[in-house]
Amino acid sequence: GQQLNQSPQSMFIQEGEDVSMNCTSSSIFNTWLWYKQEPGEGPVLLIALYKAGELTSNGRLTAQFGITRKDSFLNISASIPSDVGIYFCAGPGSGNTGKLIFGQGTTLQVKP
Amino acid sequence: DTAVSQTPKYLVTQMGNDKSIKCEQNLGHDTMYWYKQDSKKFLKIMFSYNNKELIINETVPNRFSPKSPDKAHLNLHINSLELGDSAVYFCASSARGRGSTDTQYFGPGTRLTVL
Repeated sequence: GQQLNQSPQSMFIQEGEDVSMNCTSSSIFNTWLWYKQEPGEGPVLLIALYKAGELTSNGRLTAQFGITRKDSFLNISASIPSDVGIYFCAGPGSGNTGKLIFGQGTTLQVKP
Repeated sequence: DTAVSQTPKYLVTQMGNDKSIKCEQNLGHDTMYWYKQDSKKFLKIMFSYNNKELIINETVPNRFSPKSPDKAHLNLHINSLELGDSAVYFCASSARGRGSTDTQYFGPGTRLTVL
């Protein structure tokens, strides 16, 4: 079945550092989504990517849709304490039902 | 002003009990979803409804029964609760759902603990 693998599983960084994380799939995705989940809250969409090779920014966040359509990357520049949370990649599941398949998440902790 | 709301936020109950979680969205969306997040934070779709019609049922035990009285509400009823049902349950909604990649908006979650 469809699976998304994220790496790294967790990161513990110093405030001000840049962060990179990625998501890979065994099958092709036509859309890549990046969500952030803060403690005690539901996931919130950060960036949506719809085209292979697309590079999209949202403030200090930049995400790229891999050329092979089997991967995506998320970068956070100059991290701050409020970047703490779990970052999930997601893509549409098979069957065109609107469901999302999520990666297992990358947990980010930022030391002030 | 909350877009997707869920009640209760926390639910602690004994094995074997029946419980319900309620979800409401005020976004005017056509599609609503239930996801389960396990202790390892893995998020998995359970159900989706589009305009009160069941669209997705992802091999969830039939102890779980979603009910959609109207397109703004999708409740989740769970019978005969088991220890393995302990998780955080998220409701979400999107404008269209089937055939689209519309943004899904998530509720704050309901943490269910079965003792």
